[in-house]
Amino acid sequence: LAKTTQPISMDSYEGQEVNITCSHNNIATNDYITWYQQFPSQGPRFIIQGYKTKVTNEVASLFIPADRKSSTLSLPRVSLSDTAVYYCLVVGGTGRRALTFGSGTRLQVQP
Amino acid sequence: NAGVMQNPRHLVRRRGQEARLRCSPMKGHSHVYWYRQLPEEGLKFMVYLQKENIIDESGMPKERFSAEFPKEGPSILRIQQVVRGDSAAYFCASSPGHGPTYEQYFGPGTRLTVT
Repeated sequence: LAKTTQPISMDSYEGQEVNITCSHNNIATNDYITWYQQFPSQGPRFIIQGYKTKVTNEVASLFIPADRKSSTLSLPRVSLSDTAVYYCLVVGGTGRRALTFGSGTRLQVQP
Repeated sequence: NAGVMQNPRHLVRRRGQEARLRCSPMKGHSHVYWYRQLPEEGLKFMVYLQKENIIDESGMPKERFSAEFPKEGPSILRIQQVVRGDSAAYFCASSPGHGPTYEQYFGPGTRLTVT
């Protein structure tokens, strides 16, 4: 099971772009990289998933280099409501469907 | 389409009592997962069920904990003879399929407090 490492916390200001990098050196060929967001007292919410190169949706972009040993979640122009914990997960390679959450990155957006 | 529903949202039990947590998956979802979250920690997987079957219970404590997902009705996580260490937020998630590209939709959680 690929272990993920991401910063414990980050601070930003409204309107800035935030990039959270996650390392997953032992990622397997069949694994996908998935990011979830969790607000206090709520369940996690899926943000984005990718396998390689770049994926973009209405919320974020995900950059994955060719070796796939790391990934970067990019949040454009954050607002106060983006203050949350962001989890990087590696999913799927072993056939297990359980999600393995680490400690995540606590993003604090200030005015 | 209503999201994943969990009830109760808050549950207080005295040591030794039983706790029953319910989860109704999203419509059309037959895969249910239970996770536990201690304060300031990430979620820890407990069990994965697919209608009437336990597929993966590798994260379930060996004693006092059980889960079911009957043909009709919600999935139930049961904790017998609760202890203070069981105090946590318990989240249920559901998905429409079992491949890695199927996202899991999480409910709001049940916060269990054992006094």
